[in-house]
Amino acid sequence: ETGVTQTPRHLVMGMTNKKSLKCEQHLGHNAMYWYKQSAKKPLELMFVYSLEERVENNSVPSRFSPECPNSSHLFLHLHTLQPEDSALYLCASSQRGTGDGELFFGEGSRLTVL
Amino acid sequence: SQQGEEDPQALSIQEGENATMNCSYKTSINNLQWYRQNSGRGLVHLILIRSNEREKHSGRLRVTLDTSKKSSSLLITASRAADTASYFCATDALTSYDKVIFGPGTSLSVIP
Repeated sequence: ETGVTQTPRHLVMGMTNKKSLKCEQHLGHNAMYWYKQSAKKPLELMFVYSLEERVENNSVPSRFSPECPNSSHLFLHLHTLQPEDSALYLCASSQRGTGDGELFFGEGSRLTVL
Repeated sequence: SQQGEEDPQALSIQEGENATMNCSYKTSINNLQWYRQNSGRGLVHLILIRSNEREKHSGRLRVTLDTSKKSSSLLITASRAADTASYFCATDALTSYDKVIFGPGTSLSVIP
């Protein structure tokens, strides 16, 4: 148990589907993150929710929509995705301010867009 | 970009040998972290070194940081087959503390 749980672990969806990825952290942290990991590319920071404020990566397409209803839960809503969006989506949490900023990752959600 | 760059991209060694991976970055940082990722899994934090530290040890891991050269190295001593994984450095910039940015990683293979 890593303290950060992601569901589902695997997801296959068509380009017209709408789905959501879920992340829950049990560590009492105040920041949560979505990263995208594509083959042969560095991890790409997509979204940060820190101290209840959202910090965005402006290069992320609008077909990805994050939601953070509280400090323990984070969602990534997906709609009208493209095949190039197939990747491993990683959620992480950290304690900003009082911590060193270590990231604690979930096991990831492997997304395949057909 | 503050993104770190690891070197080499891939490294293959025999069990028992030492493995050294390097990381370079571009902007001033608060700290630098190293992470490990087994294939298809989440990343696991290994060690963090602050900008005012030069060297840090944790078990078989030794990390150095040279802020004048904007570089860091990760040494794994007496490697084991179980050390086979990808290793990433990550930087936490002074100007955007909310963003931890990762390099492309070094793929390490330890041959039994």
